[in-house]
Amino acid sequence: DTEVTQTPKHLVMGMTNKKSLKCEQHMGHRAMYWYKQKAKKPPELMFVYSYEKLSINESVPSRFSPECPNSSLLNLHLHALQPEDSALYLCASTRAPNEDGYTFGSGTRLTVV
Amino acid sequence: AQRVTQPEKLLSVFKGAPVELKCNYSYSGSPELFWYVQYSRQRLQLLLRHISRESIKGFTADLNKGETSFHLKKPFAQEEDSAMYYCALSGRGSSNTGKLIFGQGTTLQVKP
Repeated sequence: DTEVTQTPKHLVMGMTNKKSLKCEQHMGHRAMYWYKQKAKKPPELMFVYSYEKLSINESVPSRFSPECPNSSLLNLHLHALQPEDSALYLCASTRAPNEDGYTFGSGTRLTVV
Repeated sequence: AQRVTQPEKLLSVFKGAPVELKCNYSYSGSPELFWYVQYSRQRLQLLLRHISRESIKGFTADLNKGETSFHLKKPFAQEEDSAMYYCALSGRGSSNTGKLIFGQGTTLQVKP
C-alpha cells in the first residue's frame, strides 16, 4: 500500500457542528501532516506529527484539533468552524520528519455553512 | 525569510514547444528543492527533487545556488502536461523540520 487515504472526500457542516477528518497510511511512515489548501492557492501547513507526537502547530485556531492515535492514523477534529474555513484539507506523510518526498492524500473538501 | 516565488500564474504554450516554469527561492541555509504537480481532480504528486537529479516525464530541473533558482524545463510540451505546478522547499538534514514551503503555483496550459 503506497497511498495516503483520506475520508470523507466531501463534508458539509454547520458552524455549530462537530466533525472529524480521517487520514490513514500503511507505509510505515512516522511523520504525518495536515495542510489546508484554498482554491487556486498553494497548500499551507497546519500541523506536523513526528512519531505520534505533535511537533509543529502553525498557530492554527483551537477550533481545529489534531490527534494521532497511532502511527498509521491521523485525525483532525473540527468544532465551531467559520465559513472561511471552507477549503481542501490535505493529509501527507513522510518516512521520517527530516526525510523528504511527501505522499499526499487526495484531500477532504470541506464546506462550512 | 524562507520564501518560494513562482512569478508566472499562467503559462500557455503550444504542443511541442519548450517549457520553462520559473522558481526562485530565499532560504538561510541549504534547502531541498522540489517540484510538485497537481493534475485536474487528482492529488498533489511529487514530480522532481533536486537531490535525485532525475528526469521525470521529460521534465528536468537544475538547482542554481548562485541565482537561487530551480526552474523546471521540458523541451517538448505535451497536452497531458497541462496542470498546476508548485515549486517547494524544505530544510536539509537536521534543519528539516518536515515543513514544506510552497510557491504560489503556475498553471501550465498546453494547447493542441
